[in-house]
Amino acid sequence: KQEVTQIPAALSVPEGENLVLNCSFTDSAIYNLQWFRQDPGKGLTSLLLIQSSQREQTSGRLNASLDKSSGRSTLYIAASQPGDSATYLCAVKDTSGSRLTFGEGTQLTVNP
Amino acid sequence: GAVVSQHPSRVICKSGTSVKIECRSLDFQATTMFWYRQFPKKSLMLMATSNEGSKATYEQGVEKDKFLINHASLTLSTLTVTSAHPEDSSFYICSAAGTNYEQYFGPGTRLTVT
Repeated sequence: KQEVTQIPAALSVPEGENLVLNCSFTDSAIYNLQWFRQDPGKGLTSLLLIQSSQREQTSGRLNASLDKSSGRSTLYIAASQPGDSATYLCAVKDTSGSRLTFGEGTQLTVNP
Repeated sequence: GAVVSQHPSRVICKSGTSVKIECRSLDFQATTMFWYRQFPKKSLMLMATSNEGSKATYEQGVEKDKFLINHASLTLSTLTVTSAHPEDSSFYICSAAGTNYEQYFGPGTRLTVT
């Protein structure tokens, strides 16, 4: 059974800092990995999706990497802003292509 | 991008009553819809997967008689919480997937059972 772990559970940083969120998964046989953002009481916004054959994806100030063999992914946020404050969730999709398994998230606070 | 809506966004009901939550894919046909439950500061837990016109597949530990799922069309799935108890209070999120299997998430429904 796939298990996804995110470290740290919570992170508080000053504005402008670069930061890294970590995600690990136990079964390396994945279809893809996705990072989401969730604001309090809201649904999920997809940030980046990395296919199993890819090593990284970039969108603006966000960069996500994937090391499938070691079961790890990182989300790098450059020059953090208060508007980045949210919970960031990592999810892996199994090889059947349908089931998503989520981590518990990292709650990020960026202080002005 | 693909848009998924949920209705209502918030609902309060009394113990023992039933409540229905709708999930709609607004601009694409969803062959598969998923229902998740999220506890405070916890991950999303998959409750069930439904394919249009078929019975839903429930995850282990999820009572199918309590959480009734209907996927009657390619754009609509409903989750009915029957005989609600306070412990059913939670945030329920649906997602919809088309032929590319990518899941698009709804905004969630906050259920409070008093």
